[in-house]
Amino acid sequence: KAGVTQTPRYLIKTRGQQVTLSCSPISGHRSVSWYQQTPGQGLQFLFEYFSETQRNKGNFPGRFSGRQFSNSRSEMNVSTLELGDSALYLCASSGSGTDNEKLFFGSGTQLSVL
Amino acid sequence: DQQVKQNSPSLSVQEGRISILNCDYTNSMFDYFLWYKKYPAEGPTFLISISSIKDKNEDGRFTVFLNKSAKHLSLHIVPSQPGDSAVYFCAVPNPISGGYNKLIFGAGTRLAVHP
Repeated sequence: KAGVTQTPRYLIKTRGQQVTLSCSPISGHRSVSWYQQTPGQGLQFLFEYFSETQRNKGNFPGRFSGRQFSNSRSEMNVSTLELGDSALYLCASSGSGTDNEKLFFGSGTQLSVL
Repeated sequence: DQQVKQNSPSLSVQEGRISILNCDYTNSMFDYFLWYKKYPAEGPTFLISISSIKDKNEDGRFTVFLNKSAKHLSLHIVPSQPGDSAVYFCAVPNPISGGYNKLIFGAGTRLAVHP
């Protein structure tokens, strides 16, 4: 089956703008998580959605938000972009059974804030 | 305060030899550990995991060892192949939130396997 799909792959924005990233999970997976990867901080958890509800949240400011749709697709939004938001944003999905214990990641969206 | 530490940012190994990647953790509540591998321009992929009730788990060329008393785990790759060149992350599920989706990752170790 198809993997996790993230769009767009690359994005360039300027400070103060807002951005929306999209993620389509593996078919049948209902949980979608978002992570931020930066050279200095590594991979950090942003939030997780399950059945259209935010189930877990990391330690990020309120400028970072997300949502999940009834088909399990998810979007994350960052408002009032700052230079420090430049990062690789990774989406991951997980399912049930043997898929429950591991995350399947997309290739990420590389965001550059100028 | 880093709860999961990978103190070696990089490791260089000759093809055919053993690669040993290390990970230390601070929280004794952690009871499940995962290793992910990441190639450039791709997302991390699950490699192998181990539960705290075991001290070893093997999958082909990959073996993870867990030393609970030392709060230390290691990933052994034998024999190492050039295709193993990637960044390896150690990760644990956050014990407070439960589930396997909120992972705490180490900083990663970049492995280079050269011919």
